[in-house]
Amino acid sequence: EDQVTQSPEALRLQEGESSSLNCSYTVSGLRGLFWYRQDPGKGPEFLFTLYSAGEEKEKERLKATLTKKESFLHITAPKPEDSATYLCAVKAAGNKLTFGGGTRVLVKP
Amino acid sequence: SAVISQKPSRDICQRGTSLTIQCQVDSQVTMMFWYRQQPGQSLTLIATANQGSEATYESGFVIDKFPISRPNLTFSTLTVSNMSPEDSSIYLCSVMGSGELFFGEGSRLTVL
Repeated sequence: EDQVTQSPEALRLQEGESSSLNCSYTVSGLRGLFWYRQDPGKGPEFLFTLYSAGEEKEKERLKATLTKKESFLHITAPKPEDSATYLCAVKAAGNKLTFGGGTRVLVKP
Repeated sequence: SAVISQKPSRDICQRGTSLTIQCQVDSQVTMMFWYRQQPGQSLTLIATANQGSEATYESGFVIDKFPISRPNLTFSTLTVSNMSPEDSSIYLCSVMGSGELFFGEGSRLTVL
């Protein structure tokens, strides 16, 4: 069974304090690892898809990396508007995504 | 990316009643998915809605409790039947596009 574990569960950062979120996964035949951002009361917003170990993608202050066992979401010099829950998900065979529990990020000014 | 609209955005329901959630997409899509997000938890796939065939349910979810319709390539409904407080959740419609999964804003149900 596919499993996704995110850590830490919650992260409090000062504005400008860079940090990384971890997503560890166990899956048979990874066909994509997805990162989403979710604001309170809203649906998840797509950020990145990574397909193979060594791949990296960037968007503004966010950078996602992938190894064979885990993915990292690096937040560089975060701002308060980066406060959200970040979700990681994996896709194996078929179209089902298995989600991790998420990391709640709070960036204080 | 697809634009996904869900109705209602939120509702308060009485125990034992049923509620139907609508999902409208601005483009034709082959597969639509229904997810549940219980309070403080992550997302769990309920079922995949295929146009012209029965929905495919994940383990732990049954058609009698969560009947799904998919009358065309842009629309689907999810009904939460005979609700109990344990059904209080956010229900999310999603579609796959260009290999990526996009979500609607969700329907937040509170069952009293």
